Amino acid sequence: GAVVSQHPSWVICKSGTSVKIECRSLDFQATTMFWYRQFPKQSLMLMATSNEGSKATYEQGVEKDKFLINHASLTLSTLTVTSAHPEDSSFYICSATRQGGYRSNQPQHFGDGTRLSIL
Amino acid sequence: AQKVTQAQTEISVVEKEDVTLDCVYETRDTTYYLFWYKQPPSGELVFLIRRNSFDEQNEISGRYSWNFQKSTSSFNFTITASQVVDSAVYFCALSALDNYGQNFVFGPGTRLSVLP
Repeated sequence: GAVVSQHPSWVICKSGTSVKIECRSLDFQATTMFWYRQFPKQSLMLMATSNEGSKATYEQGVEKDKFLINHASLTLSTLTVTSAHPEDSSFYICSATRQGGYRSNQPQHFGDGTRLSIL
Repeated sequence: AQKVTQAQTEISVVEKEDVTLDCVYETRDTTYYLFWYKQPPSGELVFLIRRNSFDEQNEISGRYSWNFQKSTSSFNFTITASQVVDSAVYFCALSALDNYGQNFVFGPGTRLSVLP
């Protein structure tokens, strides 16, 4: 079964709305989680690295004031798209690293993604 | 800098044909991981394989096989006797071995369509 839960799976909202997406590790603690964005017919691009108890690290070109990341516990990271506009419409995917996961075949577990549509 | 290239943007095959998806990577790291993921139309990423740079053995899992060649920096994926359910976008990815392989770089993906 899924080890990383992402919610909601689909959001449609009006321009100017803020949208929060949750990423939870279900049966392990994740000190680090990652947020990716995927535009239609494109690859996944890393947006930011979310560290529990500290500020997120954003990739070049990603506006930290636009995409707020909070990693308040070892099992939950949230991504808030503030004042969303149609160009923010995309597929957002989170992933979490299981501690000691490098020993397994899957050092990262991905959520099922959130499809965000801004009207 | 790390980079993953998947030269085939889209491939169409007829069911039961074999198909190979190419992946070429660039990295300055001497140790790294390589991955293949499948993304069906529903969007979730399905893990297929991880290979570390120490292990150049080819791998077979059912109808899937992988050919890892460090000399050409390639990690190609072959589906034998393709089925309609194999239709999806396939991503090759690379990560560094440090930080427990956390920093993923994805290729652009290859969209595979298997026609009945």
